[in-house]
Amino acid sequence: GAGVSQSPRYKVTKRGQDVALRCDPISGHVSLYWYRQALGQGPEFLTYFNYEAQQDKSGLPNDRFSAERPEGSISTLTIQRTEQRDSAMYRCASSQGLAGGLSYEQYFGPGTRLTVT
Amino acid sequence: QKEVEQNSGPLSVPEGAIASLNCTYSDRGSQSFFWYRQYSGKSPELIMSIYSNGDKEDGRFTAQLNKASQYVSLLIRDSQPSDSATYLCAVYAGGTSYGKLTFGQGTILTVHP
Repeated sequence: GAGVSQSPRYKVTKRGQDVALRCDPISGHVSLYWYRQALGQGPEFLTYFNYEAQQDKSGLPNDRFSAERPEGSISTLTIQRTEQRDSAMYRCASSQGLAGGLSYEQYFGPGTRLTVT
Repeated sequence: QKEVEQNSGPLSVPEGAIASLNCTYSDRGSQSFFWYRQYSGKSPELIMSIYSNGDKEDGRFTAQLNKASQYVSLLIRDSQPSDSATYLCAVYAGGTSYGKLTFGQGTILTVHP
């Protein structure tokens, strides 16, 4: 079946513009996660949804970052008034979300490379 | 102290050898442990998960977990050049951390012919 998809794959924007990054999880996966990955580092947690509920947004760097998943499927990560330091690879992952250890096997999408000029 | 620590490498092994990748974590209550493989320019790919102490084998891969020592490792037997990648250790702490995974910085593995 289809994996996690993300769009756009590449986004170049000017400082001060807003951007919206989209994630379409694996069909039937309840949980959806956003991470940010710097070069040479592991992914860093941003936020997490269970169905449409945002369960944890502790990793969002500041209030310019927000995320939603209104119908419990596709999610959008929005960055307002972008700054150069926002430039990174933004990765989305999904998992089944059932109780027990298997629920946290997360599968990553291809990522969106954001460049703020 | 980082929550999940890995030796960044690079770790270089000859083809056919055993590659041993190590990871330590700081949260003693951590419940689930994962190894991801990431080829250059690609996204992380889940290759192993382990939840209880001991060994778990899957093909050429063996994950080992020792919760008392807060240590998890990945062994790759009969290493192939195609195994050359960055290997990421990820830990789920459980409790109110929900599904959040904490990743190490990754170990670069190079398998040379």
